[in-house]
Amino acid sequence: DTGVSQNPRHKITKRGQNVTFRCDPISEHNRLYWYRQTLGQGPEFLTYFQNEAQLEKSRLLSDRFSAERPKGSFSTLEIQRTEQGDSAMYLCASSQQSPEAFFGQGTRLTVV
Amino acid sequence: RKEVEQDPGPFNVPEGATVAFNCTYSNSASQSFFWYRQDCRKEPKLLMSVYSSGNEDGRFTAQLNRASQYISLLIRDSKLSDSATYLCVVLKRGGGADGLTFGKGTHLIIQP
Repeated sequence: DTGVSQNPRHKITKRGQNVTFRCDPISEHNRLYWYRQTLGQGPEFLTYFQNEAQLEKSRLLSDRFSAERPKGSFSTLEIQRTEQGDSAMYLCASSQQSPEAFFGQGTRLTVV
Repeated sequence: RKEVEQDPGPFNVPEGATVAFNCTYSNSASQSFFWYRQDCRKEPKLLMSVYSSGNEDGRFTAQLNRASQYISLLIRDSKLSDSATYLCVVLKRGGGADGLTFGKGTHLIIQP
């Protein structure tokens, strides 16, 4: 499978715990994006990498959120001290030069 | 005002009917426009780009009205498999997909 891969697919965590998600983009894509989607809403932009450089961060990305792409390949999104409001689907997407973004299947986070 | 607004529906349409969705955007500097399709519990996938001159892909026709800042999607001879959420997407600036802004989506249900 050469698409965008995300894991885990599902994560249930207790409030206050830290979680980390991983995204493996399509291999030749230099751009990587993280989005968050809640029920009944469209995906909301969180952050964007071009190669290993994090070029943009949304205001939605509070201090508890951090994303890395250390070698310009896979990326991780960490949420510290999770809150119930963090429960959502976290989507990763990648692209090359074109505006079309290819999405992974997402990681569904439930904070209890 | 939301950057991208769509009627959330649901639109309940009999199989074989024609259905049209509209979407409005607020940023007049927006440069590129797309329709994405999202099936239940799946990731969004690009359906088609939208060009100023209008474009057609099989049963699907997309149109853009820059003066009125709205985008439309027409589906002819609808199939059961067209049931999905259709996301209107606007690119805020040129270049890659880092500027993609999604609407909340319009939920379409095709009934046999």
